[in-house]
Amino acid sequence: DAGVIQSPRHEVTEMGQEVTLRCKLISGHNSLFWYRQTMMRGLELLIYFNNNVPIDDSGMPEDRFSAKMPNASFSTLKIQPSEPRDSAVYFCASSLTDSNEKLFFGSGTQLSVL
Amino acid sequence: DQQVKQNSPSLSVQEGRISILNCDYTNSMFDYFLWYKKYPAEGPTFLISISSIKDKNEDGRFTVFLNKSAKHLSLHIVPSQPGDSAVYFCAAKSGGSNYKLTFGKGTLLTVNP
Repeated sequence: DAGVIQSPRHEVTEMGQEVTLRCKLISGHNSLFWYRQTMMRGLELLIYFNNNVPIDDSGMPEDRFSAKMPNASFSTLKIQPSEPRDSAVYFCASSLTDSNEKLFFGSGTQLSVL
Repeated sequence: DQQVKQNSPSLSVQEGRISILNCDYTNSMFDYFLWYKKYPAEGPTFLISISSIKDKNEDGRFTVFLNKSAKHLSLHIVPSQPGDSAVYFCAAKSGGSNYKLTFGKGTLLTVNP
C-alpha cells in the first residue's frame, strides 16, 4: 500500500491567494483527519471526517479554511484567502474508525504564505 | 492551554544507553496515551500506546510507563540506536472521544554513535 499521499509537498504563495491541499486516503480507511503543525502550537486537529461526513470541525481556525471529502478516498483543504500566519506544515491522516491509535499520516505539505 | 506537555525540546544520548522521554498532562479525563515518532520530511508514525488501566507497556526496546497520580508518562528506549534519532510526540485522548488526539509539541531525540 502506498500509504496516505499528500500533495503538494511544498507550497509557496502570496498573501491573499487561494491554496488547496490534497490528500488521498489509504484504501479501505473510513476516517480522515487534517492536522496543522506549528512551532507555537504543535500538532492541532483541524477537522475530522468519518465516512465522508465532517464530524468535528471545531479546530478549523476561521471561515477562510474549508475542507471537503468528495469521495471516500480523497480530501481537500482549502484556504481562501491565505495569510502569512497560515504558514505551517499540514498533515492528513487516515484510519479505520475502530482502530483507536492507528492513525496513518501523510508526509505533509509545507505551506509558506509570503 | 497545552493539555499535553513535553517540557524537553531536545535530548541527546549515546548509542547503547537508555533514552527517557517525558510527558505530562493536565486533563484527568485522558485515559489513553500514545507515542508517535517522526523523521524529517515524513509524517508521524505510531510507536506504542498505553491504557490508563495499566502502568506499563513494553514492545521490544520501547517501554511506556504511566503514573496516573502524577499525570506523567515516559518512554524508555533501551538500548538507544542512531536510527532512533527523531522527534517523539506524546499524545492523549479521553474516553469521551474515540478519535481526538491531543499532541504534545515533541522532543527531538539525537542518538550519537
